[in-house]
Amino acid sequence: DTAVSQTPKYLVTQMGNDKSIKCEQNLGHDTMYWYKQDSKKFLKIMFSYNNKELIINETVPNRFSPKSPDKAHLNLHINSLELGDSAVYFCASSRVAGPKTNEKLFFGSGTQLSVL
Amino acid sequence: AQTVTQSQPEMSVQEAETVTLSCTYDTSESDYYLFWYKQPPSRQMILVIRQEAYKQQNATENRFSVNFQKAAKSFSLKISDSQLGDAAMYFCAYRLLHYGQNFVFGPGTRLSVLP
Repeated sequence: DTAVSQTPKYLVTQMGNDKSIKCEQNLGHDTMYWYKQDSKKFLKIMFSYNNKELIINETVPNRFSPKSPDKAHLNLHINSLELGDSAVYFCASSRVAGPKTNEKLFFGSGTQLSVL
Repeated sequence: AQTVTQSQPEMSVQEAETVTLSCTYDTSESDYYLFWYKQPPSRQMILVIRQEAYKQQNATENRFSVNFQKAAKSFSLKISDSQLGDAAMYFCAYRLLHYGQNFVFGPGTRLSVLP
């Protein structure tokens, strides 16, 4: 069973469209994340949720809206897509940070978004 | 701002040889975890090795080992007996222990393994 699964793997769309990426984890983790990997491979945090509560919201255009219906799911909706949104988007999950919680970050397989 | 620096954008190593990838980070905290992740062309992010900052002993995982120098804020990765399958992007990362802290990644080092 895939620990963190995100769909779709590839997304090709026209500028101005609205699209969603879905993510689910079956690890029982409380914390989920969205990372963006640009063309230079740099990984940047976008959002983090803990048990459905938004705890990290980096400087991201408000066209990006995360939604966490429950702690196992964290979806990403993007409105009015722009050329610069083209990137790979990774969903990930982990346990809550804390002393001695030597927990790694579990990644989904990524969604390659191409905006034409 | 908390940052992670990987000063080698690209490295290459001959198969069966040893290579060391460097990583430095900047934090004023004393408790954190450090990680090396590998991203092969398949795009999947794979944990290679992790280290607790409170442990002085360097972590090892088979052919992978780290040199953790806390005072210098340095966390290098050594790959011994390099194999063709080690070719990938390697990312150094750390995570503070406070609630709400995310994993902060460096810009990556692209490793090529030459046959």
